[in-house]
Amino acid sequence: AQKVTQAQTEISVVEKEDVTLDCVYETRDTTYYLFWYKQPPSGELVFLIRRNSFDEQNEISGRYSWNFQKSTSSFNFTITASQVVDSAVYFCALSGRGGATNKLIFGTGTLLAVQP
Amino acid sequence: DSGVTQTPKHLITATGQRVTLRCSPRSGDLSVYWYQQSLDQGLQFLIQYYNGEERAKGNILERFSAQQFPDLHSELNLSSLELGDSALYFCASSVGLRVSGTETQYFGPGTRLLVL
Repeated sequence: AQKVTQAQTEISVVEKEDVTLDCVYETRDTTYYLFWYKQPPSGELVFLIRRNSFDEQNEISGRYSWNFQKSTSSFNFTITASQVVDSAVYFCALSGRGGATNKLIFGTGTLLAVQP
Repeated sequence: DSGVTQTPKHLITATGQRVTLRCSPRSGDLSVYWYQQSLDQGLQFLIQYYNGEERAKGNILERFSAQQFPDLHSELNLSSLELGDSALYFCASSVGLRVSGTETQYFGPGTRLLVL
């Protein structure tokens, strides 16, 4: 069975601090895809990144970076120099290659509060 | 703006009633997905359509049904509503290539349903 665990329910930081959101996944698929989505207070789900299981290269996009480690089944997300606008719920999600669907399995989310 | 539209944004109704949620995918996307976000269940996949045909079912109740029309918009019908159906319902779309798991899903703003 596929499962995504986000053990951090809530994180509170002060602006300009760095923060890492953890994501651990379980899957029997040899090829799979990992995602991060952001849900700001307004409620929509915003796509941030997609990572393929065969590409373990870390990725950086501005203040955002992602660390994918197959050995520990983790796909962690770091925000550098956090800002108040980063306050949101962040979801990690998993999609497998097996079957005919791209359905996403979501973690329970991490609520990030960035204080000014 | 993801390009996925959902109407209505908010819906308040009574137990026992029936409602229809509507979704228009991004231009060119053939696959549509429905998800439910509730406090107790988190984000759960309900159903996927590809070019008018049902492709996969998740945790969708028998009281719920969906369809995708020739113009590719989709509707989610919820009937015999119960208090526990109160949730945020998201529609997402992706290109719809035949290879599963490889696509990014872009989410609409959601429909917030409140059953009183």
